[in-house]
Amino acid sequence: SQTIHQWPATLVQPVGSPLSLECTVEGTSNPNLYWYRQAAGRGLQLLFYSVGIGQISSEVPQNLSASRPQDRQFILSSKKLLLSDSGFYLCAWNLAENQPQHFGDGTRLSIL
Amino acid sequence: GESVGLHLPTLSVQEGDNSIINCAYSNSASDYFIWYKQESGKGPQFIIDIRSNMDKRQGQRVTVLLNKTVKHLSLQIAATQPGDSAVYFCAEGGYNAGNMLTFGGGTRLMVKP
Repeated sequence: SQTIHQWPATLVQPVGSPLSLECTVEGTSNPNLYWYRQAAGRGLQLLFYSVGIGQISSEVPQNLSASRPQDRQFILSSKKLLLSDSGFYLCAWNLAENQPQHFGDGTRLSIL
Repeated sequence: GESVGLHLPTLSVQEGDNSIINCAYSNSASDYFIWYKQESGKGPQFIIDIRSNMDKRQGQRVTVLLNKTVKHLSLQIAATQPGDSAVYFCAEGGYNAGNMLTFGGGTRLMVKP
């Protein structure tokens, strides 16, 4: 069966520091991969999605970036974090459009 | 712009009662809808989906109803249990949207023992 892993589960970072969050999917090939951010008590905002290695689409202009160095690995990065980057970051996958996206358990990022 | 929203931010029900969570969507081109359950500190968990060629779909203790005329989606949970307490999100997608889903703001379901 397919599984998705995100790490770390929680992260506290100072303003201006870099960021790297990792997501990996097991048990499937060539998944579509997604990064979302969820503010406290709010819905999900799509940040990036990828349909293949090296293919990244950005939905929201910001100081974050994403990369897909391997088929089942999706990385969210920043060179310099802002206070507004705090939130709950979720990675998801599916195999085709109009199929459910399946989520990891997220990384809670706090910026001090 | 197009959006997906929820009528009730918080729903409180008695254990054993049925729950109904509602969602309105405004994009008439949407043809795929999903309900997710999110427990505290976890990622959303897929519950059930429905395509626009159906108006009802049933799962285990859950039923999703789709009314395309008024652009309304609902999730019915039968015999609500304490473990059902969570935030529920609807999401919409469509062929025009490719792989994209648009999520609503969420409804918190609280089950009273």
